[in-house]
Amino acid sequence: DSGVTQTPKHLITATGQRVTLRCSPRSGDLSVYWYQQSLDQGLQFLIQYYNGEERAKGNILERFSAQQFPDLHSELNLSSLELGDSALYFCASSADLAGELFFGEGSRLTVL
Amino acid sequence: GQQLNQSPQSMFIQEGEDVSMNCTSSSIFNTWLWYKQDPGEGPVLLIALYKAGELTSNGRLTAQFGITRKDSFLNISASIPSDVGIYFCAGRNNAGNMLTFGGGTRLMVKP
Repeated sequence: DSGVTQTPKHLITATGQRVTLRCSPRSGDLSVYWYQQSLDQGLQFLIQYYNGEERAKGNILERFSAQQFPDLHSELNLSSLELGDSALYFCASSADLAGELFFGEGSRLTVL
Repeated sequence: GQQLNQSPQSMFIQEGEDVSMNCTSSSIFNTWLWYKQDPGEGPVLLIALYKAGELTSNGRLTAQFGITRKDSFLNISASIPSDVGIYFCAGRNNAGNMLTFGGGTRLMVKP
């Protein structure tokens, strides 16, 4: 158990819909990262937050947004969903900006 | 942006064999991390390397931080069926912020 909690574990929805994925980092970790992993693909970095502020942005679509709240949990919002958005979405946390990343078990999104 | 080339992309080996995989970069990194991902699970940190030339072991796993700081190697000795999974390297540069992941090495072990 990495200490990073993600909900929901599985989510099935339709094209055009909007979903929110939630992440609770390890206790004490200030930095949260979101990654997307499509079937049999690598980890694509989406976005990073540190202590509530956006720190780095990867290949995140404009239809996607995220935020980190004062209690340090984070949410990833995916809107106007397309079939190609079906993937595993991982959250990871680290103690600081240069620390090791610890991953949650992921949220599997299926868009039908 | 930075890219990490991880090879091989996949390996199919016999139980008991040793395994070697590597990552190379065009940029210098000051941290290398190796992760393993079991099917349907999140990546789990195996080994962290922070110093050029550093050689670190974790059970049957050994990883090295290349002297040039542009590469890293992971070796698995005497493979067993539970070694099956995808192994990812990840590197962090001097800016300290971004962690770049390699494309992964899919390992399959035949009993």
